Amino acid sequence: DAGVIQSPRHEVTEMGQEVTLRCKPISGHDYLFWYRQTMMRGLELLIYFNNNVPIDDSGMPEDRFSAKMPNASFSTLKIQPSEPRDSAVYFCASSSGSGEKLFFGSGTQLSVL
Amino acid sequence: GESVGLHLPTLSVQEGDNSIINCAYSNSASDYFIWYKQESGKGPQFIIDIRSNMDKRQGQRVTVLLNKTVKHLSLQIAATQPGDSAVYFCAENFYNNAGNMLTFGGGTRLMVKP
Repeated sequence: DAGVIQSPRHEVTEMGQEVTLRCKPISGHDYLFWYRQTMMRGLELLIYFNNNVPIDDSGMPEDRFSAKMPNASFSTLKIQPSEPRDSAVYFCASSSGSGEKLFFGSGTQLSVL
Repeated sequence: GESVGLHLPTLSVQEGDNSIINCAYSNSASDYFIWYKQESGKGPQFIIDIRSNMDKRQGQRVTVLLNKTVKHLSLQIAATQPGDSAVYFCAENFYNNAGNMLTFGGGTRLMVKP
């Protein structure tokens, strides 16, 4: 298995633009997580899905952020409109069960100018 | 080994020495713990895990120790190598209203001097 695959690896955009981050979890994993990592706040859980259904989105910072999982092999995290304070590394992770170890993708480095 | 925001705690060791990275976890109900290693530009990678019914688990060159009495977790790396240089995170799992949640600590940076 190729592991969790994220795209793009790097994204540079201007304030106000829409940003879409993509993730393909490990095949067979029922849980998918979106994390954000910054120096100030470390790793923050934004949202997670179980069997494509959002379970907990309490970590999503505000309405500008949305996430979808249309099928078991694909998820998106969208920021619209983006702001400079959204600049961070966004990680997707998947696991085979609730409370089991997570497998992380390589992340998307987002810079909003 | 908890982060205080901008500044990550740093452990500097000589190549070949043993390293011990510590983590204080928050929830006495946590039943599963994981150590992750994050190298620059990469996502966190699983190193070793331990369940709350154990107090020690060994892997290849790594040992995790769990002290539930004081809510303390440690990662020991034997014969530390330059490739071990990374940020190390502990994570704890506990059950809340949203289900089982894995919560990460702030991380500790390990620097290995050749």
